[in-house]
Amino acid sequence: EIVLTQSPATLSLSPGEGATLSCGASQSVRSRKLAWYQQKPGLAPRLLIYEASTRATGIPDRFSGSGSGTDFTLTISRLEPEDFAVYYCQQYGDSPLTFGGGTKVEIK
Amino acid sequence: EVQLLESGGGLVQPGGSLRLSCAASGFTFSGYAMGWVRQAPGKGLEWVTAISASGSDIYYADSVKGRFTISRDNSKNTLYLQMNSLRAEDTAVHYCAKFWGVHPLYYHMDVWGKGTTVTVSS
Repeated sequence: EIVLTQSPATLSLSPGEGATLSCGASQSVRSRKLAWYQQKPGLAPRLLIYEASTRATGIPDRFSGSGSGTDFTLTISRLEPEDFAVYYCQQYGDSPLTFGGGTKVEIK
Repeated sequence: EVQLLESGGGLVQPGGSLRLSCAASGFTFSGYAMGWVRQAPGKGLEWVTAISASGSDIYYADSVKGRFTISRDNSKNTLYLQMNSLRAEDTAVHYCAKFWGVHPLYYHMDVWGKGTTVTVSS
Protein backbone atom coordinates (compact mmCIF):
# COMPACT_ATOMS: atom_id res chain seq x y z
CA GLU A 1 0.00 0.00 0.00
CA ILE A 2 1.28 3.47 -0.88
CA VAL A 3 1.17 5.70 2.20
CA LEU A 4 0.80 9.41 1.49
CA THR A 5 2.08 11.86 4.10
CA GLN A 6 0.95 15.48 3.85
CA SER A 7 2.76 18.37 5.45
CA PRO A 8 2.24 20.57 7.22
CA ALA A 9 -0.92 19.43 8.96
CA THR A 10 -2.01 23.04 9.34
CA LEU A 11 -0.95 26.17 7.48
CA SER A 12 -1.90 29.55 8.97
CA LEU A 13 -1.76 32.27 6.36
CA SER A 14 -3.36 35.58 5.41
CA PRO A 15 -5.35 36.29 2.25
CA GLY A 16 -2.99 37.31 -0.54
CA GLU A 17 -0.14 35.13 0.71
CA GLY A 18 1.13 32.09 -1.15
CA ALA A 19 0.75 28.52 0.12
CA THR A 20 2.89 25.45 -0.49
CA LEU A 21 1.46 22.06 0.46
CA SER A 22 3.52 18.87 0.30
CA CYS A 23 2.57 15.26 -0.28
CA GLY A 24 5.18 12.53 0.15
CA ALA A 25 4.64 8.95 -0.99
CA SER A 26 6.13 5.83 0.62
CA GLN A 27 6.92 4.49 -2.88
CA SER A 28 6.88 5.91 -6.36
CA VAL A 29 3.46 6.92 -7.68
CA ARG A 30 2.96 5.28 -11.05
CA SER A 31 2.89 7.66 -14.02
CA ARG A 32 2.27 10.69 -11.78
CA LYS A 33 -1.25 9.41 -11.01
CA LEU A 34 -1.78 11.86 -8.18
CA ALA A 35 -4.72 14.17 -7.56
CA TRP A 36 -5.42 17.04 -5.21
CA TYR A 37 -8.85 17.75 -3.73
CA GLN A 38 -10.22 20.70 -1.77
CA GLN A 39 -12.86 20.16 0.91
CA LYS A 40 -14.84 22.75 2.81
CA PRO A 41 -16.84 21.96 5.98
CA GLY A 42 -20.00 19.99 5.30
CA LEU A 43 -19.29 19.66 1.58
CA ALA A 44 -17.98 16.95 -0.70
CA PRO A 45 -14.39 17.11 -1.93
CA ARG A 46 -13.76 19.03 -5.15
CA LEU A 47 -11.14 17.96 -7.69
CA LEU A 48 -8.43 20.58 -8.20
CA ILE A 49 -5.51 18.84 -9.90
CA TYR A 50 -5.01 15.44 -11.57
CA GLU A 51 -1.98 13.69 -13.05
CA ALA A 52 0.07 15.74 -10.60
CA SER A 53 -0.10 18.99 -12.56
CA THR A 54 -3.22 19.26 -14.72
CA ARG A 55 -5.87 21.66 -13.44
CA ALA A 56 -9.42 20.35 -13.48
CA THR A 57 -12.11 22.20 -15.40
CA GLY A 58 -12.96 25.56 -13.86
CA ILE A 59 -10.08 25.63 -11.39
CA PRO A 60 -8.37 29.06 -11.22
CA ASP A 61 -4.77 29.27 -12.38
CA ARG A 62 -3.59 30.36 -8.94
CA PHE A 63 -3.68 26.61 -8.16
CA SER A 64 -0.78 24.60 -9.56
CA GLY A 65 0.58 21.13 -8.97
CA SER A 66 4.04 19.70 -9.49
CA GLY A 67 6.19 16.71 -8.69
CA SER A 68 6.82 13.11 -9.62
CA GLY A 69 7.99 9.87 -8.06
CA THR A 70 7.53 10.28 -4.33
CA ASP A 71 7.36 14.06 -3.89
CA PHE A 72 4.44 16.24 -4.92
CA THR A 73 3.45 19.84 -4.25
CA LEU A 74 0.29 21.90 -4.48
CA THR A 75 0.91 25.63 -4.71
CA ILE A 76 -1.67 28.36 -4.28
CA SER A 77 -0.08 31.54 -5.58
CA ARG A 78 -2.24 34.09 -3.77
CA LEU A 79 -4.83 32.95 -1.28
CA GLU A 80 -8.37 34.16 -1.82
CA PRO A 81 -10.90 34.03 1.07
CA GLU A 82 -12.62 31.02 -0.51
CA ASP A 83 -9.36 29.01 -0.56
CA PHE A 84 -9.30 28.42 3.19
CA ALA A 85 -10.18 24.74 3.42
CA VAL A 86 -8.67 21.28 3.82
CA TYR A 87 -6.62 19.85 0.95
CA TYR A 88 -6.04 16.15 0.29
CA CYS A 89 -3.69 14.39 -2.08
CA GLN A 90 -4.64 10.97 -3.47
CA GLN A 91 -2.84 8.41 -5.61
CA TYR A 92 -4.71 6.30 -8.15
CA GLY A 93 -1.90 4.41 -9.82
CA ASP A 94 -2.04 1.36 -7.58
CA SER A 95 -4.59 -0.50 -5.52
CA PRO A 96 -5.53 0.25 -2.84
CA LEU A 97 -6.19 3.85 -3.77
CA THR A 98 -4.95 5.99 -0.91
CA PHE A 99 -5.39 9.51 0.43
CA GLY A 100 -3.07 11.66 2.46
CA GLY A 101 -4.17 12.84 5.89
CA GLY A 102 -4.90 16.36 4.67
CA THR A 103 -3.54 19.88 5.17
CA LYS A 104 -5.80 22.50 6.67
CA VAL A 105 -5.20 26.01 5.33
CA GLU A 106 -6.59 28.40 7.90
CA ILE A 107 -6.83 32.14 8.19
CA LYS A 108 -4.07 33.64 10.32
CA GLU B 1 -25.27 18.59 -15.58
CA VAL B 2 -23.43 15.62 -14.12
CA GLN B 3 -25.00 14.60 -10.81
CA LEU B 4 -24.61 11.83 -8.27
CA LEU B 5 -27.24 11.38 -5.58
CA GLU B 6 -26.63 8.97 -2.72
CA SER B 7 -29.34 7.44 -0.58
CA GLY B 8 -29.83 4.63 1.91
CA GLY B 9 -27.84 5.90 4.85
CA GLY B 10 -29.15 5.75 8.40
CA LEU B 11 -28.73 4.36 11.88
CA VAL B 12 -27.98 0.64 12.17
CA GLN B 13 -26.91 -1.59 15.04
CA PRO B 14 -23.49 -3.25 15.12
CA GLY B 15 -23.60 -6.42 13.05
CA GLY B 16 -26.41 -5.08 10.92
CA SER B 17 -26.66 -4.41 7.20
CA LEU B 18 -27.40 -1.45 4.99
CA ARG B 19 -27.52 -0.90 1.22
CA LEU B 20 -26.47 2.43 -0.22
CA SER B 21 -27.50 3.58 -3.68
CA CYS B 22 -26.07 6.25 -5.94
CA ALA B 23 -28.25 7.52 -8.77
CA ALA B 24 -26.26 9.01 -11.63
CA SER B 25 -27.43 11.48 -14.25
CA GLY B 26 -26.01 13.80 -16.88
CA PHE B 27 -23.44 11.37 -18.33
CA THR B 28 -23.21 7.93 -19.90
CA PHE B 29 -23.06 5.90 -16.69
CA SER B 30 -21.99 2.67 -18.41
CA GLY B 31 -18.87 4.35 -19.76
CA TYR B 32 -17.20 5.18 -16.46
CA ALA B 33 -15.77 3.47 -13.40
CA MET B 34 -17.42 4.34 -10.10
CA GLY B 35 -16.48 4.13 -6.45
CA TRP B 36 -17.22 4.89 -2.81
CA VAL B 37 -15.15 7.02 -0.46
CA ARG B 38 -16.01 7.59 3.20
CA GLN B 39 -15.15 10.11 5.89
CA ALA B 40 -15.53 9.36 9.58
CA PRO B 41 -16.58 12.30 11.78
CA GLY B 42 -13.73 14.78 12.05
CA LYS B 43 -11.37 12.55 10.05
CA GLY B 44 -9.87 12.42 6.58
CA LEU B 45 -10.98 10.69 3.41
CA GLU B 46 -10.78 6.91 3.07
CA TRP B 47 -11.25 5.09 -0.22
CA VAL B 48 -13.61 2.11 0.25
CA THR B 49 -14.20 0.36 -3.06
CA ALA B 50 -14.35 0.84 -6.83
CA ILE B 51 -15.77 -0.92 -9.87
CA SER B 52 -14.90 -0.65 -13.55
CA ALA B 53 -17.36 0.58 -16.15
CA SER B 54 -18.37 -2.93 -17.21
CA GLY B 55 -18.35 -4.28 -13.66
CA SER B 56 -15.67 -6.83 -14.47
CA ASP B 57 -12.98 -5.34 -12.21
CA ILE B 58 -13.64 -4.64 -8.54
CA TYR B 59 -11.34 -3.43 -5.78
CA TYR B 60 -11.82 -3.14 -2.01
CA ALA B 61 -9.96 -1.57 0.88
CA ASP B 62 -8.75 -4.18 3.36
CA SER B 63 -10.94 -2.59 6.05
CA VAL B 64 -14.14 -3.63 4.23
CA LYS B 65 -13.08 -6.70 2.25
CA GLY B 66 -15.43 -9.60 2.88
CA ARG B 67 -18.09 -7.36 4.43
CA PHE B 68 -18.96 -4.84 1.70
CA THR B 69 -19.99 -5.54 -1.90
CA ILE B 70 -20.03 -2.97 -4.68
CA SER B 71 -22.23 -3.46 -7.72
CA ARG B 72 -23.78 -1.47 -10.52
CA ASP B 73 -26.84 -1.65 -12.75
CA ASN B 74 -25.95 0.14 -15.96
CA SER B 75 -29.55 -0.13 -17.18
CA LYS B 76 -30.69 1.90 -14.16
CA ASN B 77 -27.68 4.26 -13.99
CA THR B 78 -27.23 3.24 -10.38
CA LEU B 79 -24.29 2.22 -8.19
CA TYR B 80 -24.78 0.19 -5.01
CA LEU B 81 -22.88 -0.61 -1.86
CA GLN B 82 -24.10 -3.55 0.21
CA MET B 83 -22.70 -3.20 3.71
CA ASN B 84 -22.86 -6.23 6.02
CA SER B 85 -21.46 -6.98 9.49
CA LEU B 86 -21.31 -3.28 10.21
CA ARG B 87 -19.03 -1.99 12.96
CA ALA B 88 -18.85 1.25 14.92
CA GLU B 89 -15.79 2.23 12.88
CA ASP B 90 -17.89 2.17 9.70
CA THR B 91 -19.70 5.28 10.95
CA ALA B 92 -19.02 7.91 8.29
CA VAL B 93 -20.34 10.02 5.49
CA HIS B 94 -20.19 7.81 2.41
CA TYR B 95 -19.57 9.56 -0.91
CA CYS B 96 -20.23 8.14 -4.35
CA ALA B 97 -17.66 9.22 -6.95
CA LYS B 98 -17.28 8.98 -10.72
CA PHE B 99 -13.92 8.17 -12.25
CA TRP B 100 -12.72 9.97 -15.36
CA GLY B 101 -12.34 6.75 -17.35
CA VAL B 102 -13.44 3.13 -17.61
CA HIS B 103 -11.11 1.74 -14.97
CA PRO B 104 -10.58 2.89 -11.37
CA LEU B 105 -6.85 2.50 -11.63
CA TYR B 106 -5.17 5.19 -13.77
CA TYR B 107 -8.08 7.62 -13.62
CA HIS B 108 -8.93 10.24 -11.03
CA MET B 109 -12.33 10.82 -9.40
CA ASP B 110 -13.76 13.93 -11.04
CA VAL B 111 -17.33 14.13 -9.72
CA TRP B 112 -18.58 13.46 -6.20
CA GLY B 113 -22.02 13.18 -4.69
CA LYS B 114 -23.04 15.07 -1.56
CA GLY B 115 -22.80 11.95 0.57
CA THR B 116 -25.05 9.89 2.79
CA THR B 117 -24.44 9.33 6.50
CA VAL B 118 -24.12 5.88 8.00
CA THR B 119 -24.17 5.60 11.78
CA VAL B 120 -23.45 2.27 13.44
CA SER B 121 -24.50 2.33 17.08
CA SER B 122 -26.55 0.39 19.58
